This record gives sequence, C-alpha cells and structure tokens, in this order.
Amino acid sequence: KAGVTQTPRYLIKTRGQQVTLSCSPISGHRSVSWYQQTPGQGLQFLFEYFSETQRNKGNFPGRFSGRQFSNSRSEMNVSTLELGDSALYLCASSLQRAGNEQFFGPGTRLTVL
Amino acid sequence: GENVEQHPSTLSVQEGDSAVIKCTYSDSASNYFPWYKQELGKRPQLIIDIRSNVGEKKDQRIAVTLNKTAKHFSLHITETQPEDSAVYFCAASRSQGGKLIFGQGTELSVKP
Repeated sequence: KAGVTQTPRYLIKTRGQQVTLSCSPISGHRSVSWYQQTPGQGLQFLFEYFSETQRNKGNFPGRFSGRQFSNSRSEMNVSTLELGDSALYLCASSLQRAGNEQFFGPGTRLTVL
Repeated sequence: GENVEQHPSTLSVQEGDSAVIKCTYSDSASNYFPWYKQELGKRPQLIIDIRSNVGEKKDQRIAVTLNKTAKHFSLHITETQPEDSAVYFCAASRSQGGKLIFGQGTELSVKP
C-alpha cells in the first residue's frame, strides 16, 4: 500500500505571496492532520480534517487554512506569507478520526524570502 | 493549555547501553501516547504507542511506560545501536488520530 504523499516537496516563495500544499493519504484513510515543523518551535498541530470537515484546529492565525476533498486528499493554504512561515509542513493520515495511529508524509519544505 | 514537556533535549550513549527519554503531559484527558523517530531529512515514523488503559508496552528493544497519576510517560531503548541515532518525539492526544501535541524532541546519539 502506498504511503502518504505530499506535493510539492520544495517551495520557494516571497513575502506576501500565497501557497497551496497538497497531501494524499494512505488509501482508505479518512483523517488528515497537518503539522508545522521548525527548529525553534518543534512540531505544532495546524488542523485535522475528517470526512471533509475540520474537526480540530491549532493556534495558528487565519492565514492558515485547509480543506479536504471527497477522496480524502487534503490541501492547506497559507496566504500573505511571512518570513516566519518558513518551515517543513507535514501531513499525517489515519484510518479514522479516533482509533488509529497517524502516518506521516515526507513533508513540503517551504522557504519564504 | 495542552503541553508536553520532553527531557533530555540531547542524549549521548555508547553502543549497547540503554537510553531513556521522559515526557510529561498537562492535559489529563489525554489517552493516547505515541513515540516517533525522525532521522535527518526524513519523515517522523511511529515506533511505539501506548493507550491510557495500559501501563507498559514492549516491542523488542523498545518499551514505553505510562504513569497516568503523574501524567508521565517514558521511552526505553535497550542494547542501543548506531542506527538508533535520530530525534525522538513523544506526543499526547485525547484520541487516537486527531490532534497530537508533541514534545520538543530528544536528539539521541549512539556512539560505536
């Protein structure tokens, strides 16, 4: 079974731009969670989607948003990029919202110049 | 608020020794505690997890213990090998899947 995939793997943007990241979960998995990883703040939860509905949200500004499609694929969007948004963005999928372990994708490395 | 504290931040051991990493969580409603291993440039990989109705779980050289009263859980690695060198993260969640609150990570170095 294929693992979690994320596209693109690397992105370079400038301040003020917006970006969209994509995550395809393991086949059959319905829950997708997003995390931001930085050297200073570690791994921080952004949001979780299950059956196209946002079920949990972390403490990030409204510039960070996401959605999930009927095939469980998920996208996250960051608008008005800031230098501090430079990070590795990881998504993780699980079989259902409450019941199974999360499996991570390889991440998207975002650099904001 | 929800918080997970992890210690130590770095740990260096000799090959064959044991390594112990400790985490404390603040949310008493947490009931699922996974541990992830992240090698340099790679994704976090789940190595073991424990649920709140269990006090200890073991998988070959890796074991995890949970003390719900103290809100404390630990990862134990025995007979360490150089390939165990990585950053280890503990996490806590109110449910399996969903929102994981991570500790700050422990960089483990196993010297041959």
